[in-house]
Amino acid sequence: AQRVTQPEKLLSVFKGAPVELKCNYSYSGSPELFWYVQYSRQRLQLLLRHISRESIKGFTADLNKGETSFHLKKPFAQEEDSAMYYCALSPYSGSARQLTFGSGTQLTVLP
Amino acid sequence: EADIYQTPRYLVIGTGKKITLECSQTMGHDKMYWYQQDPGMELHLIHYSYGVNSTEKGDLSSESTVSRIRTEHFPLTLESARPSHTSQYLCASLTGLFGGELFFGEGSRLTVL
Repeated sequence: AQRVTQPEKLLSVFKGAPVELKCNYSYSGSPELFWYVQYSRQRLQLLLRHISRESIKGFTADLNKGETSFHLKKPFAQEEDSAMYYCALSPYSGSARQLTFGSGTQLTVLP
Repeated sequence: EADIYQTPRYLVIGTGKKITLECSQTMGHDKMYWYQQDPGMELHLIHYSYGVNSTEKGDLSSESTVSRIRTEHFPLTLESARPSHTSQYLCASLTGLFGGELFFGEGSRLTVL
């Protein structure tokens, strides 16, 4: 069975400091991995997907198949980055039927 | 405007009441999903639909039911609400080619007293 683990429920960093939100997964096939973000009083929204190899709002995430990780990183955190972040895994299927979410990490960026 | 609308956003009701959480999307997406989320916990899939007249139960057992009579409308119903149903319910539709690209509504927070 596939599983997504986000080991940190809470993470605090100071503005301007680097931030890394950890995500580890277990899945026997080739996964598709995603990061979702939920800002205060806003809906859950897709931040980035590994297949696009994109940088969104300064965040990047690299899929490391050897370590089965998909950590989210940003070199200089901003206060507006404070939010709840969820890592998610899906087999390539064109359906979210097998999409698995982690339990989330609440990031607080301190002034 | 392309969006997913969920109503009500907040609902407090007594035990035994029947409730329907509405979800409508204006994007013409075929695949829609209902998730249940408790604070600090993962999102759990409770229902999904691949199109009109197609509904299936998700991994998390739920006493709720859904219907999909029109593409844009995917309501969730609890015939007799109980305190254990207290939770946040999120509706989503599949917006991309990949299984993880969901567009979520703002959620319905249900409290059953």
